[in-house]
Amino acid sequence: GQQVMQIPQYQHVQEGEDFTTYCNSSTTLSNIQWYKQRPGGHPVFLIQLVKSGEVKKQKRLTFQFGEAKKNSSLHITATQTTDVGTYFCAGPNTPLVFGKGTRLSVIA
Amino acid sequence: ETGVTQTPRHLVMGMTNKKSLKCEQHLGHNAMYWYKQSAKKPLELMFVYSLEERVENNSVPSRFSPECPNSSHLFLHLHTLQPEDSALYLCASSQDFGRGYGYTFGSGTRLTVV
Repeated sequence: GQQVMQIPQYQHVQEGEDFTTYCNSSTTLSNIQWYKQRPGGHPVFLIQLVKSGEVKKQKRLTFQFGEAKKNSSLHITATQTTDVGTYFCAGPNTPLVFGKGTRLSVIA
Repeated sequence: ETGVTQTPRHLVMGMTNKKSLKCEQHLGHNAMYWYKQSAKKPLELMFVYSLEERVENNSVPSRFSPECPNSSHLFLHLHTLQPEDSALYLCASSQDFGRGYGYTFGSGTRLTVV
């Protein structure tokens, strides 16, 4: 099945710094989804991107879908300790195939 | 509360025991899933049900047996497990089995096999 690769695997940032995680595929994706899993918690659906070049924002989170629909990114502006967790991209197969995730640590 | 409820939250079982994990969704979704999450591994799909019919079985050992009596309930029956089966077992649901639907996950069952 179609695989999505995520980088980096881990990211440690100082509170207030920005953070970006990337999701890449060797083939064109029909759509991509993003999830967040807090430590000790379960994955929570954040957003789905469908259109080429699409950009969506949720407060300090900005999600982008590449023009070629082969990559996607999640950018967090001015991280807070509440942003701690693992961010997964997933898709586009049915059922969903999840990336390995990027684990974000925020140092206060 | 996510709308997907899993019980129990924690389970410790011996290798000769038989136990069952339960998942219930109150969202009116038609598709339900079992995922396994181990340390340092990505989420692994185990089983998929759409309208109470199994549509995918991802080469899961027979010691795991799913059951979907109706579209709101999903079970995972466990027997003669191995210590390497210790993991977080997550149930999820989606509106339909198809592209474009976000998944709603339950809180999971943390399973320890001793």
